[in-house]
Amino acid sequence: AQKVTQAQTEISVVEKEDVTLDCVYETRDTTYYLFWYKQPPSGELVFLIRRNSFDEQNEISGRYSWNFQKSTSSFNFTITASQVVDSAVYFCALSGDNYGQNFVFGPGTRLSVLP
Amino acid sequence: DTAVSQTPKYLVTQMGNDKSIKCEQNLGHDTMYWYKQDSKKFLKIMFSYNNKELIINETVPNRFSPKSPDKAHLNLHINSLELGDSAVYFCASSQDGWSYTFGSGTRLTVV
Repeated sequence: AQKVTQAQTEISVVEKEDVTLDCVYETRDTTYYLFWYKQPPSGELVFLIRRNSFDEQNEISGRYSWNFQKSTSSFNFTITASQVVDSAVYFCALSGDNYGQNFVFGPGTRLSVLP
Repeated sequence: DTAVSQTPKYLVTQMGNDKSIKCEQNLGHDTMYWYKQDSKKFLKIMFSYNNKELIINETVPNRFSPKSPDKAHLNLHINSLELGDSAVYFCASSQDGWSYTFGSGTRLTVV
């Protein structure tokens, strides 16, 4: 069975601090896909990144960066120089196929960035 | 233009009622989904619908039924609403299972 764990339920940081959101996954599939989504207070889900299991290169997009470590089954997300607008719930997710039947979300981490 | 739109955004109704939530996508995607987000913010898949093939999460009560009049629409119909059905429901679509576009969610409150 597939599972996604986000051990941090809530994190609070002060603006401009760096923060890392942890994500650990479990799957028996050799091919799988990992995602991060942001859910701001308005409620919508905003796609941030996708990564397939064969690509372990870390990725940076502006203040966001992702560290994929297959050896530890982790896909952590770091926000550098956090801003108040980063306050949201962040979901890590795992999909084992192309049609989303096994699309599993983690429980989410609520990030509060204080001014 | 909104890529995946859900209506209504908020729905308050009494126990025992039947209600529907509509979802439309203008992305031309082949697959649409319904997810339920519970009070702990955990997202669970309820249904996926691809080329007229419906795949149901077996844990979903049969009071929930998806209806797809065409490829761009996947509506969620709920019979005999219960208090435990209160949640936020998200519709989503995907072309290849690689990236998903979500609607803004429908907050259902059963009283």
